[in-house]
Amino acid sequence: GAVVSQHPSWVICKSGTSVKIECRSLDFQATTMFWYRQFPKQSLMLMATSNEGSKATYEQGVEKDKFLINHASLTLSTLTVTSAHPEDSSFYICSATQGQFNYGYTFGSGTRLTVV
Amino acid sequence: GIQVEQSPPDLILQEGANSTLRCNFSDSVNNLQWFHQNPWGQLINLFYIPSGTKQNGRLSATTVATERYSLLYISSSQTTDSGVYFCAGTSGGSYIPTFGRGTSLIVHP
Repeated sequence: GAVVSQHPSWVICKSGTSVKIECRSLDFQATTMFWYRQFPKQSLMLMATSNEGSKATYEQGVEKDKFLINHASLTLSTLTVTSAHPEDSSFYICSATQGQFNYGYTFGSGTRLTVV
Repeated sequence: GIQVEQSPPDLILQEGANSTLRCNFSDSVNNLQWFHQNPWGQLINLFYIPSGTKQNGRLSATTVATERYSLLYISSSQTTDSGVYFCAGTSGGSYIPTFGRGTSLIVHP
């Protein structure tokens, strides 16, 4: 079945530094990738949608300059949290789909970010 | 966008019990998926089920698209079934899924 690999699984960084999270589709070409943020005991909050080779579409209230998303190929998307602050600490999850949800979504394993 | 309501929000079971989780949509959906988020945060795809019934082991799901709901059945629950169950769907021309708030399940041994 479809597999999405997300790295790192967890990361601790100092305030002011940047952190990059990678999301790779291992056995299929992901035309669309999504980035979510999840707070404890809450549902997934969509941050942005990215299509290969084009700029990401950010949801309202998500700072595009803080959360840089790059989808350079059909198998790789990255999320960079720039100048991280403690309030950016959260669980970030990516997902990918082959064809506009017609085949369903596959999720990465998530990244636990802690900013100290 | 569509609204997704999941019930119950919390569920506690004894191992071996059966349960039914429900997902209601405010509008007709053309794609629907059920996920299980384990205690480590990993989201596992359970069913892609825009309509009809599917079964996978002790789990089965039924979607009645015309009545805007989907059900997830868990039979003979095990402690490893613990976690949060989410449903998500798309509607109309949107390909961006809307998630419910989830059902938190705890199965005691």
